[in-house]
Amino acid sequence: AQKVTQAQTEISVVEKEDVTLDCVYETRDTTYYLFWYKQPPSGELVFLIRRNSFDEQNEISGRYSWNFQKSTSSFNFTITASQVVDSAVYFCALIPSGNTPLVFGKGTRLSVIA
Amino acid sequence: DAGVIQSPRHEVTEMGQEVTLRCKPISGHNSLFWYRQTMMRGLELLIYFNNNVPIDDSGMPEDRFSAKMPNASFSTLKIQPSEPRDSAVYFCASSLADRYSGNTIYFGEGSWLTVV
Repeated sequence: AQKVTQAQTEISVVEKEDVTLDCVYETRDTTYYLFWYKQPPSGELVFLIRRNSFDEQNEISGRYSWNFQKSTSSFNFTITASQVVDSAVYFCALIPSGNTPLVFGKGTRLSVIA
Repeated sequence: DAGVIQSPRHEVTEMGQEVTLRCKPISGHNSLFWYRQTMMRGLELLIYFNNNVPIDDSGMPEDRFSAKMPNASFSTLKIQPSEPRDSAVYFCASSLADRYSGNTIYFGEGSWLTVV
């Protein structure tokens, strides 16, 4: 079965704090792809990152970083020095094999308070 | 480059009316997806097409829902007759996918449907 679990439903932090959003996935495929999307209050779904199962190198993009660990089937997302504009719902998602649709987690609502 | 374009952005309709949502995928993309988002069920896949052919429509809730993709640049999702429980945000998305790539799926801004 293919599944993505985001155990944190809501997180609230004060501006400038670091915050980590957890994502655990399940798949039996050896080749798969992991994603994070951001959904700001305006409602659109914005692509943040794609990672394939053979690339465990962590990625950093500005204040965003991602930690992919196959041993624990996790693909966690950290925002450093959070800002109010980071307030959104963040979705972790999985494509379990090459040409299949995204399987989404339930999302984590992040509120950054000034 | 233009992203995935959906219309209408917002629609309020009365129960029993027909609703048609439209989508133009990113030019050159060969896979198109319709997702629905509700508070209760989150993001769920309704149907997806590859090269204009429906591949999996198991997520379509019932016969009131139908989707078509007459060509590579246009798709519709139709609800007839609409019911209040169909109120949701409907996202269209597209990707350039092949069997192995798992390419990124890009989403439109969504169509916010309210059935009263």
